[in-house]
Amino acid sequence: EPEVTQTPSHQVTQMGQEVILRCVPISNHLYFYWYRQILGQKVEFLVSFYNNEISEKSEIFDDQFSVERPDGSNFTLKIRSTKLEDSAMYFCASSVAGDRAGGYGYTFGSGTRLTVV
Amino acid sequence: SQQGEEDPQALSIQEGENATMNCSYKTSINNLQWYRQNSGRGLVHLILIRSNEREKHSGRLRVTLDTSKKSSSLLITASRAADTASYFCATDIMNRDDKIIFGKGTRLHILP
Repeated sequence: EPEVTQTPSHQVTQMGQEVILRCVPISNHLYFYWYRQILGQKVEFLVSFYNNEISEKSEIFDDQFSVERPDGSNFTLKIRSTKLEDSAMYFCASSVAGDRAGGYGYTFGSGTRLTVV
Repeated sequence: SQQGEEDPQALSIQEGENATMNCSYKTSINNLQWYRQNSGRGLVHLILIRSNEREKHSGRLRVTLDTSKKSSSLLITASRAADTASYFCATDIMNRDDKIIFGKGTRLHILP
């Protein structure tokens, strides 16, 4: 069964450093998402991406964050100048048709656990 | 206010029993989805029910949707130890693009 692949599975970084979280969505999917989950808390929406541009972002997704689809397969989340409160599990997801087509489930990756020290 | 709140927050049942989890939401939706998360792992899509559907089955899972009450339930029949996980409902809000909103989840523990 097709999978969404995320790397690395765990990243430790110094406060103030930049990190790039990588995702390979399912090949025929067109909509891509990043969510995060702070330990013990709910899964929070960060950003959605379609047709090489951001289609929606949350208030969490400020200038510290950016996303990119540098080639036909990868989808990255960059966090500049990381803060302690950025420590969380970050999930990438993809969907074949997004929400406009009447709804399809999202396929999530296994996540990257980011620890900022 | 939360869009998508599950109850109970935690549920412990004996293996073999049925588990029922509920989700309430506040604004109109296109569809509602249920996901499972094993401890420290990723989210697994279980089932999606559209706003014009009332009930859906997938194996031992049964999902209902009552749009008049803005609520959904997930029933797992004949529970197994492997069903121990957190279960989240996620709503695709009508007239809002490109995201689903998760509730806080129900932690289900199946006792041997």
